[in-house]
Amino acid sequence: AQSVTQLGSHVSVSEGALVLLRCNYSSSVPPYLFWYVQYPNQGLQLLLKYTSAATLVKGINGFEAEFKKSETSFHLTKPSAHMSDAAEYFCAVSETSGSRLTFGEGTQLTVNP
Amino acid sequence: NAGVTQTPKFQVLKTGQSMTLQCAQDMNHEYMSWYRQDPGMGLRLIHYSVGAGITDQGEVPNGYNVSRSTTEDFPLRLLSAAPSQTSVYFCASSLEGGATQYFGPGTRLTVL
Repeated sequence: AQSVTQLGSHVSVSEGALVLLRCNYSSSVPPYLFWYVQYPNQGLQLLLKYTSAATLVKGINGFEAEFKKSETSFHLTKPSAHMSDAAEYFCAVSETSGSRLTFGEGTQLTVNP
Repeated sequence: NAGVTQTPKFQVLKTGQSMTLQCAQDMNHEYMSWYRQDPGMGLRLIHYSVGAGITDQGEVPNGYNVSRSTTEDFPLRLLSAAPSQTSVYFCASSLEGGATQYFGPGTRLTVL
């Protein structure tokens, strides 16, 4: 069975500071891993995904994530936070056999001026 | 392309009422899924479908029914609404398993 744990339900950073959102997963097979972002009162939008190619994945809006198999982690980073990055971020895992996405609980990112 | 569309955007039901949440996609995706989003719990899979005529249960299927008669449509039926079903419901579709899922804008449901 697959599962996802996001450490920290709320993260607060200053504008211009590093953003680090943590995600650890468990999966019985090599996983597909995703980060989604949700802005208030909207659906989810894909930021980036890992599909067993390069371990460092670059996404939209300057975000990237690194797949570390030894640590079963897929942390999301951005070098310099912008006010528009304030949103809820979800890490998700999917096994290759089907379309079942398992989501973490989400991390609410606040960016302070 | 409209992508994934959901109707209605908002709905208020009384306990015991039934209703259908509509979901449609125009991307010719085989996979479609329904999730519910509750505070602090992320999104949880209710039901999913890997193609027309094929559906399966997700993590929290009780109280919900689905069917998939066409590739485009994947309605979610609440048989007898309960306050515990108050939530935001998202429909998603993807080309194949493990591929990017595209989400609709959501339906906010309140059951009184």
